[in-house]
Parts: sequence; structure tokens; C-alpha cells
Amino acid sequence: RKEVEQDPGPFNVPEGATVAFNCTYSNSASQSFFWYRQDCRKEPKLLMSVYSSGNEDGRFTAQLNRASQYISLLIRDSKLSDSATYLCVVNRQSNYQLIWGAGTKLIIKP
Amino acid sequence: GAVVSQHPSWVICKSGTSVKIECRSLDFQATTMFWYRQFPKQSLMLMATSNEGSKATYEQGVEKDKFLINHASLTLSTLTVTSAHPEDSSFYICSARILAGGETQYFGPGTRLLVL
Repeated sequence: RKEVEQDPGPFNVPEGATVAFNCTYSNSASQSFFWYRQDCRKEPKLLMSVYSSGNEDGRFTAQLNRASQYISLLIRDSKLSDSATYLCVVNRQSNYQLIWGAGTKLIIKP
Repeated sequence: GAVVSQHPSWVICKSGTSVKIECRSLDFQATTMFWYRQFPKQSLMLMATSNEGSKATYEQGVEKDKFLINHASLTLSTLTVTSAHPEDSSFYICSARILAGGETQYFGPGTRLLVL
């Protein structure tokens, strides 16, 4: 079983719609969780950290469910510029190593 | 914000040659730098963790003698792919963690390596 699993997609979504991704992780001792965004042939960029109480940043909402060991990302009012691959990232707790999911590809269509 | 540069941004080389990739933190000191590799449509795979002044810690399955890592200063880490072969062609990305900066990692723009 992979340490971090994501649905690879692609998710084809019309502009303006709401879309949600989930990610599951296997290490119950993980403490830190992140969503990154990666555009084609570019380095990943931090989208948001995920906190236990859930957090929101504009159109983006992240949730953490420790009991079920999954993380979610919700994007409201999707824009064409949201098209990218969204990577779920979990820390390994030793030496600040991050473990990456394979990413979920999102395509926003006009 | 914290900036990390990588050089070169892309390289094409013949099979059997060695390629050195530099990762620099431009405006901060990085205690730890990480080297990743990403094949098309796959996730970033951590290759090694590099701490300034000490030997790198390699992930299982990554050959130490093949991927030489040097972290001689708090702003520079290098990855040398020795005797590169076509299967080493990939996107290599480094990231740096700020000294006493928690878990945030700042990523370089990546280096595309194509081995012919």
C-alpha cells in the first residue's frame, strides 16, 4: 500500500463548479499535511497547509479526518487557472521528510 | 519570500557521462535540502535528505554511488548523476528547509535531464 494515495483523475469540471478531492494516508503518526499544486513541467507550489480544525483560504477549503486518515480539498467557483495537478503531501515526522501522493489532475473547462 | 534556484534548468547528455545539478538557497540558509525525482505522470519521489556538513541520507532503492550528493554549505547542495543512462532521464527537483523554519520547504524550479 502506498503511503499517500490519491485518485489520479483527471477530473473534468466546468468553470464555476465546485470540485473536491480526497487523499488517504497510511501512517497514523503523521502530524502535518499539505496540499500542493503543480503545473505541467513546473515545480510544486504550496497551496495550503491542512489543520485539524479545517481551514479555508478564499475559494479553497481543506479538511483533515484523522480517524479515517484522509484529507480533502474543496475548490469552489472553479477558474480556468485552477487547472493543474493537486498533490497531497504528508510528513514522515523524521527529519521533516515529506511523502507525496501521485497527484490528482484537474481540468477546468470553459 | 524564500527563493531556491537550480542549475542547469535542463540538460541533454550522452549515456555514460556524469551530470552535476546545483541547488542554491538565494536569500536564506538551509539546514536541510531534499532531492526528489519525478517521472512523467508520477509523484515526486524523495531520493535523499541532505544536511549541511554531513553525509546525505538516501531512500531505499536509491544508489549512493550513482547519485552523489554534496552539501558543503548552508546555501548549496549538489547532486551528481554519475555514468548517466537513459533510465536516469527525469525531472530532478530540490527543496530547502529554512534553518529553524519549521516544515516549510521551498522548491527549486527543477532540472530536466535527458540521457541519450
